[in-house]
Amino acid sequence: EAGVAQSPRYKIIEKRQSVAFWCNPISGHATLYWYQQILGQGPKLLIQFQNNGVVDDSQLPKDRFSAERLKGVDSTLKIQPAKLEDSAVYLCASRPTGGTEYFGPGTRLTVT
Amino acid sequence: GNSVTQMEGPVTLSEEAFLTINCTYTATGYPSLFWYVQYPGEGLQLLLKATKADDKGSNKGFEATYRKETTSFHLEKGSVQVSDSAVYFCALSKAGGGADGLTFGKGTHLIIQP
Repeated sequence: EAGVAQSPRYKIIEKRQSVAFWCNPISGHATLYWYQQILGQGPKLLIQFQNNGVVDDSQLPKDRFSAERLKGVDSTLKIQPAKLEDSAVYLCASRPTGGTEYFGPGTRLTVT
Repeated sequence: GNSVTQMEGPVTLSEEAFLTINCTYTATGYPSLFWYVQYPGEGLQLLLKATKADDKGSNKGFEATYRKETTSFHLEKGSVQVSDSAVYFCALSKAGGGADGLTFGKGTHLIIQP
């Protein structure tokens, strides 16, 4: 079974630029999550989707971050404009109904 | 809100030593509890979990017991190996569906010396 796929794996941008990350969850997993992991900290939940609907986005900085999951499969997370403090690894995870979360390899973002 | 506190690292042990990584939590209701592991250069992997009080999760020689009275979920292993060197994260999620994303601790870096 293929795992959660994410791209790109690495991205370097300047502050005030825009960036987008892509996630392809495990086939059949209805629930998808985006987490932000700052160096030296545990992952922090940004947003949770159930199929193509948002379940929880209470910790998403909505002034600059947006996410969508069209058709209930792939998802994109966008940052516009980026700040230095957005430097982190962005993790995507998916979960089957009644199961546990599977994490992708993450996208490492550096904002200079 | 929910929170997880785990012991600071790095924790350095010799091979075959006994391991304990402390984890305590604050949550409303009855959360599910997890330990995730991140090996060097790899992604987060579920190590073990427990979904109700007094449950014991176990995997690869690691164990943790859900203690509601002390709101703890300490990770233990009787004899560690060099290959156990990794970062370990304690986490919880709200049970019962709906908004159930994980709340993680800061992680404990474990270093096992031969």
